[in-house]
Amino acid sequence: AQSVTQLGSHVSVSEGALVLLRCNYSSSVPPYLFWYVQYPNQGLQLLLKYTSAATLVKGINGFEAEFKKSETSFHLTKPSAHMSDAAEYFCAVSRRSGGYNKLIFGAGTRLAVHP
Amino acid sequence: DAGVTQSPTHLIKTRGQQVTLRCSPKSGHDTVSWYQQALGQGPQFIFQYYEEEERQRGNFPDRFSGHQFPNYSSELNVNALLLGDSALYLCASSSDSITEAFFGQGTRLTVV
Repeated sequence: AQSVTQLGSHVSVSEGALVLLRCNYSSSVPPYLFWYVQYPNQGLQLLLKYTSAATLVKGINGFEAEFKKSETSFHLTKPSAHMSDAAEYFCAVSRRSGGYNKLIFGAGTRLAVHP
Repeated sequence: DAGVTQSPTHLIKTRGQQVTLRCSPKSGHDTVSWYQQALGQGPQFIFQYYEEEERQRGNFPDRFSGHQFPNYSSELNVNALLLGDSALYLCASSSDSITEAFFGQGTRLTVV
């Protein structure tokens, strides 16, 4: 079985500060890992994905995430927060094969950015 | 490329009624998945359609059913609506040759 835990339902940072959103996963098989962002009243937009190539993955809007197998983590970071980064962020896991791209999501982390 | 499109964007229904939501996948994608996102929660997998058949199903009752058409578009049907069915319903398209799913804007269903 697969599951995702996002530590911290709400994170607040100052504009220009480091953003760190935590994600831990559980999977009995090698996983694919994803970060999606959701702006109010919108669908999900893919930020980045890990599919077994480089463990440090760079995504859109300056975000990156590092896959750490030993810690079963896939934390999302951005060096300098911008006001436009305020949104809900979801970490998700799927199976590399036989999973037909079915995604298991975490509960989400709401990021607030203040001046 | 129009991306994944869903209709309608918003819907209000009464308890006990039935509802149909629609989804057109991204060009080149043959697989459609449906997710339910309750307020303040992450999306939950409902089911997935491929080659006009349900290929996988999450932990949802039989009141939730679907269909996929030859052009790969899909419908989600929910019968005997409950207040707890109020949620954002997301459609995602993909294919077995890619690793990620692309989401539509969702349909906000309110059951009163």
